[in-house]
Amino acid sequence: KAGVTQTPRYLIKTRGQQVTLSCSPISGHRSVSWYQQTPGQGLQFLFEYFSETQRNKGNFPGRFSGRQFSNSRSEMNVSTLELGDSALYLCASSVSGGSSYEQYFGPGTRLTVT
Amino acid sequence: KQEVTQIPAALSVPEGENLVLNCSFTDSAIYNLQWFRQDPGKGLTSLLLIQSSQREQTSGRLNASLDKSSGRSTLYIAASQPGDSATYLCAVGNTGFQKLVFGTGTRLLVSP
Repeated sequence: KAGVTQTPRYLIKTRGQQVTLSCSPISGHRSVSWYQQTPGQGLQFLFEYFSETQRNKGNFPGRFSGRQFSNSRSEMNVSTLELGDSALYLCASSVSGGSSYEQYFGPGTRLTVT
Repeated sequence: KQEVTQIPAALSVPEGENLVLNCSFTDSAIYNLQWFRQDPGKGLTSLLLIQSSQREQTSGRLNASLDKSSGRSTLYIAASQPGDSATYLCAVGNTGFQKLVFGTGTRLLVSP
């Protein structure tokens, strides 16, 4: 069974631009969560989608948004990029939305903002 | 607000040693706790998931325990190998949803 895939793996953008990251969950998984990892803040929860609905959101500005499609694939978008948005962005998928289910992470997208 | 702390921040051991990694959390009202490993520049690999009703889980050389009342979990690695070198993260699920609060991580180096 294929794991969680994320595209692109690496991205370099300029301050002020916007970016879209993609995540394909494990086949059959309906929940997708996004996390940001930085050396200073560690891993922080961005948001979770289940059946195309955002169910939970972390403490990030409105520049961070996401969506989920009917096939459970998810995208996250960051508008008006800032230098501090440079990070590893990880998505995780789970069979269902309940917290008793294990989360499986993808390899991440490394975003560098210059 | 849930806070998760891992001690030690870094650990260096010779191959073959048994070792314990510690994770503590401030809010004991958790749904589950998950241990992950992360290799440099890579994503997270799930190691063990412990539900709030469980006391421990085992997988191969790994054993994780959970004591909700004291807000602690430990990951025991038996007979460590150089391939175990990685950063180990614990994460707590506080809500009924898929939001995990991560610890600060323990960077493990196992020398041959």
